[in-house]
Amino acid sequence: DADVTQTPRNRITKTGKRIMLECSQTKGHDRMYWYRQDPGLGLRLIYYSFDVKDINKGEISDGYSVSRQAQAKFSLSLESAIPNQTALYFCATSDRTGTVQETQYFGPGTRLLVL
Amino acid sequence: AQTVTQSQPEMSVQEAETVTLSCTYDTSENNYYLFWYKQPPSRQMILVIRQEAYKQQNATENRFSVNFQKAAKSFSLKISDSQLGDTAMYFCALEGGSEKLVFGKGTKLTVNP
Repeated sequence: DADVTQTPRNRITKTGKRIMLECSQTKGHDRMYWYRQDPGLGLRLIYYSFDVKDINKGEISDGYSVSRQAQAKFSLSLESAIPNQTALYFCATSDRTGTVQETQYFGPGTRLLVL
Repeated sequence: AQTVTQSQPEMSVQEAETVTLSCTYDTSENNYYLFWYKQPPSRQMILVIRQEAYKQQNATENRFSVNFQKAAKSFSLKISDSQLGDTAMYFCALEGGSEKLVFGKGTKLTVNP
């Protein structure tokens, strides 16, 4: 089984609709992240969470919200979807061992199309 | 602010040959981490190689190796004996003490038979 799973894998929605993307991990990591990938722009950080009670905005948080329901679950919501939120969304997890930042591991991605 | 620049949007190489992808970065941190991720057409982000800035030795993973030049803030990826399965987008990324990754815009590599 995959260590980091995302649901749904693909989603088509309409402008103005609320949509939630879900991420679950079995790696036991404390840190979870949501990224957005657009062609030619690489990945950009939307939100991140270092534990259940710690949630932080990333580079492009406007129009998004998140919920860390448990150590293993981190959801991303688009309150009112708009076409320029059409993108590929990735969840990632990592851990920290003492002063060493561990590698981030990515889920398979969710492709979202907003019409 | 931390930045990562990949100056080659696209590259191609013949199967079995060697190719080098370029990456430069900027950070004011003394301790940081650099990564190369591969994204094949399946769109999965796969870690290729990782380098800790405090280590002078260049990281190597099988056919993949890096040339880490700390003073020049350069972190290039060399792929030896290129294979068709190496065809992918390659992203350079920096983690500079904030526990957040900053990505470059990527290089699309095509391996030709």
